[in-house]
Amino acid sequence: EPEVTQTPSHQVTQMGQEVILRCVPISNHLYFYWYRQILGQKVEFLVSFYNNEISEKSEIFDDQFSVERPDGSNFTLKIRSTKLEDSAMYFCASTGQGRETQYFGPGTRLLVL
Amino acid sequence: KQEVTQIPAALSVPEGENLVLNCSFTDSAIYNLQWFRQDPGKGLTSLLLIQSSQREQTSGRLNASLDKSSGRSTLYIAASQPGDSATYLCAVTGANSKLTFGKGITLSVRP
Repeated sequence: EPEVTQTPSHQVTQMGQEVILRCVPISNHLYFYWYRQILGQKVEFLVSFYNNEISEKSEIFDDQFSVERPDGSNFTLKIRSTKLEDSAMYFCASTGQGRETQYFGPGTRLLVL
Repeated sequence: KQEVTQIPAALSVPEGENLVLNCSFTDSAIYNLQWFRQDPGKGLTSLLLIQSSQREQTSGRLNASLDKSSGRSTLYIAASQPGDSATYLCAVTGANSKLTFGKGITLSVRP
């Protein structure tokens, strides 16, 4: 069964460093999302992406964040200068149509020291 | 702003019991509602999706209902098993297709 994959599974970085989180959505899907979950808190929407552009972004998704679909398979989230409060589990999701089941990847656990 | 609430935060039941998990949302203008399962430290597994025009969906021992006008959904788990122990998340989709999540209910099924 097709699934969303994410790499790396864990990443530890120093505050101020740049990180790139990678996702491979399900191959025929058109809508892509990033969410994050700080330990013990709700899963929060960060950004949605369709037709090679951002559809919507939350207030969390400030100028330090960017997304890209560099080729036909990968979808990346870049954090330019990480802060301690960026420590969280980051989930990628995709769906074929905008309001169908969203399929989530296993997540990348990011720890900023 | 959409808010999704799941109460209680945790639930412990003996194996074999039928149980109901509740979810409420403040804005009834949703397109669908999705129930997820999350095991500790893991990703989200989609269990059921109910479109706003539907009243319920079933998959195996799971049945989810939706009352859009009152802003409520329930997830019914029949004959619970220890393997059902996990956190169950409810999420609603608005016009922009983003999901708004509740905090989840952590279920423990005792053998």
